[in-house]
Amino acid sequence: ETGVTQTPRHLVMGMTNKKSLKCEQHLGHNAMYWYKQSAKKPLELMFVYNFKEQTENNSVPSRFSPECPNSSHLFLHLHTLQPEDSALYLCASSHVRDRGYNEQFFGPGTRLTVL
Amino acid sequence: GQNIDQPTEMTATEGAIVQINCTYQTSGFNGLFWYQQHAGEAPTFLSYNVLDGLEEKGRFSSFLSRSKGYSYLLLKELQMKDSASYLCAVRGMTTDSWGKLQFGAGTQVVVTP
Repeated sequence: ETGVTQTPRHLVMGMTNKKSLKCEQHLGHNAMYWYKQSAKKPLELMFVYNFKEQTENNSVPSRFSPECPNSSHLFLHLHTLQPEDSALYLCASSHVRDRGYNEQFFGPGTRLTVL
Repeated sequence: GQNIDQPTEMTATEGAIVQINCTYQTSGFNGLFWYQQHAGEAPTFLSYNVLDGLEEKGRFSSFLSRSKGYSYLLLKELQMKDSASYLCAVRGMTTDSWGKLQFGAGTQVVVTP
């Protein structure tokens, strides 16, 4: 595997279900990100992990719970979601240097549908 | 906070040139990125500007004017495969945001035969 991988690619779940999204990066990066992409709207940053420490939580509802066990893996645990949470969830990683440019590499995303 | 504006959609014919503008309002600035995203796929990096001027990469060029809060992405010799959404993203300046990007909503480019 190369780059950033995400599983599953598609997920349909009911509002009472509990599921998890998984992201893995094979690039040796030290930062990982979760984004939400809804139709016709900008990518919304949800969470940032830098060296496994969460450095950003962009006022995301508690029904989304991130976990970063190491610098290569990132999870997004989902429970009691709402239909408006249906979106493409993108994971990204980058090598963050002091004020250096740090291109983010994206995974293919998980298309989530909440019924 | 930051506000990133770009047109929603642009249409051009194969072989033509298209310029996608991006304007931003930010309290700090430390670089502007352009990404390409085909439907159902991951965004992929196209270009990065942090100093004023033009960066050229084959058929794609990106320009930045920091004083005007303005950038454009120029796509030359358009090909059908260039039909995609093009995302403008700005990186903030503060030490706790040097890893964070703020994205525009994207410009859908449609290339017609």
